[in-house]
Parts: sequence; structure tokens; C-alpha cells
Amino acid sequence: DTGVSQDPRHKITKRGQNVTFRCDPISEHNRLYWYRQTLGQGPEFLTYFQNEAQLEKSRLLSDRFSAERPKGSFSTLEIQRTEQGDSAMYLCASTSWDRGRGYTFGSGTRLTVV
Amino acid sequence: AQSVSQHNHHVILSEAASLELGCNYSYGGTVNLFWYVQYPGQHLQLLLKYFSGDPLVKGIKGFEAEFIKSKFSFNLRKPSVQWSDTAEYFCAVLDTASKLTFGTGTRLQVTL
Repeated sequence: DTGVSQDPRHKITKRGQNVTFRCDPISEHNRLYWYRQTLGQGPEFLTYFQNEAQLEKSRLLSDRFSAERPKGSFSTLEIQRTEQGDSAMYLCASTSWDRGRGYTFGSGTRLTVV
Repeated sequence: AQSVSQHNHHVILSEAASLELGCNYSYGGTVNLFWYVQYPGQHLQLLLKYFSGDPLVKGIKGFEAEFIKSKFSFNLRKPSVQWSDTAEYFCAVLDTASKLTFGTGTRLQVTL
């Protein structure tokens, strides 16, 4: 169990640019979640996958956001035409079918849009 | 829709003091509750969880929480805090799609 890995750890981008983040979950976990956390708030759900299928997307996830999980392994979260309001910590978590285990979170990608 | 309220935003305690952090939830389904901790510069870690059975749940590092259904509460407790418990604590409720809804968190500062 090597944990959930996220890359990059930090990303600074200019407004209007596109960014992509990667998450590598724990290998035997079939569910993968993306959350966003801003200062002073708890993590907010964005979207989740069961294997390669994206099962739910939050209303927080505008059309500029897209997530994929090809082959049910790693996942990417892309933000197009970034805005300053997108600045946040983007967290990835994974879990197995046994919900009792709870999630394992990655360290997150901190995005700063300037 | 489910929601979680954590009314204590910032708590400052001296080492060895007792801790209780409040958590109230709103959810119409079967309740599964969690407490996560985030130490400075680190990722969220699971402290404890309640799924069913004994409403008094014991977690890691001496933490425990009590599920009180009639009060919609799941307060976190520790009899004697240590300086190393300085962190942010998040309560969360799990829905049927296995999505976690988090509270806004409580920042705990333990002084020597």
C-alpha cells in the first residue's frame, strides 16, 4: 500500500490557462473521488469514479472542469480557462468496495491562479 | 441533502486539558460518520468511524466519539490532549453513493 499519489504538489498558472492534475489511487481501490478544499472550509465533493465510469458530478463542477479515469487506474482532472476562483487545494481519495474502510486521501495539488 | 455542522472553528487548549469537538449532521438515510484529522502540511487521515453497533467509537491516538442519534451528533473527545494533537479536525457523513460531506473543520491549537 503506497498510498494515494497526486501530481503536481503545487501549480501556479495564469488566468485563462489550462491545467491538468493527476491522481494515482491505491491499486486495489475501485472508487476514486475528487474534492476541492478552500481556506477555512472542509473538502467539497467534485466527482467520483467506480472503475472507469464517472458516476456522479457535483454542481460545483462547471463545464470548464473535466475528469477521466481511463482503464480504471489513475485519474486526471483538467480545468480549462482557469479563473482566480479556481485557486484551491484539489484532493483525490480512493476506497475499495468495502465502504467501512473509509477513504485514503492524497496530499493534494495546490492550485494558484494569478 | 446531507450536511455537517462544526460550530467550534478554533479551539485553544493547554496540554493535558480535555477535548470535546462538536459535530452535528443532517442526513435522512443510514448514518455513517467519520472524523478526519489534518496535521500541518499533511494529508487527511482517518481518526475513527461509526457504521453501526456500539455508539461509542474508539479511534487512533486516544480519540473517541459518541454517536447520539436523538441529538444528530457525533462529538469527538480526548481526555488529555498533547501538543502533537495540534491539527485541523473534520467531521463527515457518508451518503449511499459513498460520497463524504465534510464540515468546515475545527482548528485545534494545543499550547505547552
